[in-house]
Amino acid sequence: GENVEQHPSTLSVQEGDSAVIKCTYSDSASNYFPWYKQELGKGSQLIIDIRSNVGEKKDQRIAVTLNKTAKHFSLHITETQPEDSAVYFCAASRDYNQGGKLIFGQGTELSVKP
Amino acid sequence: EAGVVQSPRYKIIEKKQPVAFWCNPISGHNTLYWYLQNLGQGPELLIRYENEEAVDDSQLPKDRFSAERLKGVDSTLKIQPAELGDSAVYLCASSSGTSRDTQYFGPGTRLTVL
Repeated sequence: GENVEQHPSTLSVQEGDSAVIKCTYSDSASNYFPWYKQELGKGSQLIIDIRSNVGEKKDQRIAVTLNKTAKHFSLHITETQPEDSAVYFCAASRDYNQGGKLIFGQGTELSVKP
Repeated sequence: EAGVVQSPRYKIIEKKQPVAFWCNPISGHNTLYWYLQNLGQGPELLIRYENEEAVDDSQLPKDRFSAERLKGVDSTLKIQPAELGDSAVYLCASSSGTSRDTQYFGPGTRLTVL
């Protein structure tokens, strides 16, 4: 079945450094790749997403890259801040009309140390 | 705009008891999802509604789980009877007709079965 592998499971960086989280997916028909930030007591917040017709997308300090050939995509956070500390989940899905079920990775716990 | 609302936020019950979770999606969002999230893992889809119709319930354990979305807005997920292994966070998400891929999550209900 469809599967998304996410690495690393934990990541600790110093404030101001960059953080990179990587995901690979198995379903070659996947074409939508969102990233969610999950904080204790809060809902999972969509922070950025990318579709298969785009190789890279940026939003301020956050960027996502996609390599469809290799079936992997990555989240890049630059100039990390303590408030970036959270659990990050990647996901992949097909078009909504083809089922559209989000398949999530296992999550990465990011810790940004002041 | 209010986000996805879920209640209760926490629930502790003894095994074999019934439990119900409630979700109010973002206003105007036709599609509603229930996910199960075990500790240290990503969310897994249980059921997806398009208005009041369950269009994907293939992952819902129908022997003890049931869900309804009678008027195509609020939804209830029920477990009867609960088992120890049902302890998890139950997440509700919704998406709109114009951007069905993009799912917005509620804060979840953390269920503990003793």
